Amino acid sequence: AQTVTQSQPEMSVQEAETVTLSCTYDTSESDYYLFWYKQPPSRQMILVIRQEAYKQQNATENRFSVNFQKAAKSFSLKISDSQLGDAAMYFCAYRSARGSGNTPLVFGKGTRLSVIA
Amino acid sequence: AAGVIQSPRHLIKEKRETATLKCYPIPRHDTVYWYQQGPGQDPQFLISFYEKMQSDKGSIPDRFSAQQFSDYHSELNMSSLELGDSALYFCASSAQSLDYNEQFFGPGTRLTVL
Repeated sequence: AQTVTQSQPEMSVQEAETVTLSCTYDTSESDYYLFWYKQPPSRQMILVIRQEAYKQQNATENRFSVNFQKAAKSFSLKISDSQLGDAAMYFCAYRSARGSGNTPLVFGKGTRLSVIA
Repeated sequence: AAGVIQSPRHLIKEKRETATLKCYPIPRHDTVYWYQQGPGQDPQFLISFYEKMQSDKGSIPDRFSAQQFSDYHSELNMSSLELGDSALYFCASSAQSLDYNEQFFGPGTRLTVL
């Protein structure tokens, strides 16, 4: 079974600064997807960024980027120019690409990010 | 754009009662997933349906059952409720035609068992 590990239960960052959230995963599969979800106090699950395992190029979405190291099974999230609205719980998630691809997400325990004004 | 709809948004039940949670996926989405998120925990996968057939099964208790209907909406039935069932229950939907088969989450149903 696949597992996702987020070793930082809590992180904090000054407004306008950069922060990196860590995520490692364990799988024997070669094809899969990785995601970062944001869960603000409203508890809504919001997709931040996604990465396909077969793509070597790291995904980028505006101020959010990832450092995907497939051999090391590492998938960290970098948030640049942090804003107060970035404060939330961040979950790293894995999804297998087996079969038709409609496979469930496996989440890490989450990292709570605080942004200091 | 249409989103995933879940009802009710909040539900309070007593121990040993039953509860039914409903999920209406985004139109033309063919897969529905149910996740349970306990207080301070990560979401845990319960069960999924593809084209009205059970697709994957996770850590769903035997007291729970679910199904997907002909109009693609899904219901999660929970019986003999326990205090530990208090959680936020998410429904998500996806379509194979989408990039990454991306899952779109509903706002969740907050279940409180007293």
